[in-house]
Amino acid sequence: GAVVSQHPSWVICKSGTSVKIECRSLDFQATTMFWYRQFPKQSLMLMATSNEGSKATYEQGVEKDKFLINHASLTLSTLTVTSAHPEDSSFYICSARGWGHSNQPQHFGDGTRLSIL
Amino acid sequence: AQKVTQAQTEISVVEKEDVTLDCVYETRDTTYYLFWYKQPPSGELVFLIRRNSFDEQNEISGRYSWNFQKSTSSFNFTITASQVVDSAVYFCALKEEFQGAQKLVFGQGTRLTINP
Repeated sequence: GAVVSQHPSWVICKSGTSVKIECRSLDFQATTMFWYRQFPKQSLMLMATSNEGSKATYEQGVEKDKFLINHASLTLSTLTVTSAHPEDSSFYICSARGWGHSNQPQHFGDGTRLSIL
Repeated sequence: AQKVTQAQTEISVVEKEDVTLDCVYETRDTTYYLFWYKQPPSGELVFLIRRNSFDEQNEISGRYSWNFQKSTSSFNFTITASQVVDSAVYFCALKEEFQGAQKLVFGQGTRLTINP
């Protein structure tokens, strides 16, 4: 089945650091990628939707200047948490969907645990 | 707005018992898709099933079965003869289409613990 790789799995860094998370579709071309955030013992909340070659669409309440999303190729999207603070500590999960797969399930990466000290 | 409610926050049963996880949804779309995902302690999301709104047939896959009742807007998930490996958080999700976005809306999740 379709595979989505997310890197890194764990990140621990100091407050004020910018952190980049990569999401790659390994065996299909992902025209649309989604970024979710999950706080402990809570549900997944969609942060933004990115289509290859265009600007991401952010959900209400998500700061686009803080969470920079780049989807420059059909197999790679990146989420950069700029000037991260402890309240940004969370589990970030990406998912990807290919062209012509609008009615197919999104394929999820394994997630990235971000801890800001 | 679309909404998914999983009223059971936590369920704990003894191994081999049957357990049902409830999911109730709200949508104004006539065409929609419902999903169940499993999230083990390691964190990854494991896809279990997708069901479209026009297919009300129940589905069985091994020890897993799903009951889709459009009349009550429910899509419940039953595990028979539960096993310790079934312990995880289970999410029900609804795919909405808002301005073509086709977003997944997740329920709050049900933490299932199977005790030996």
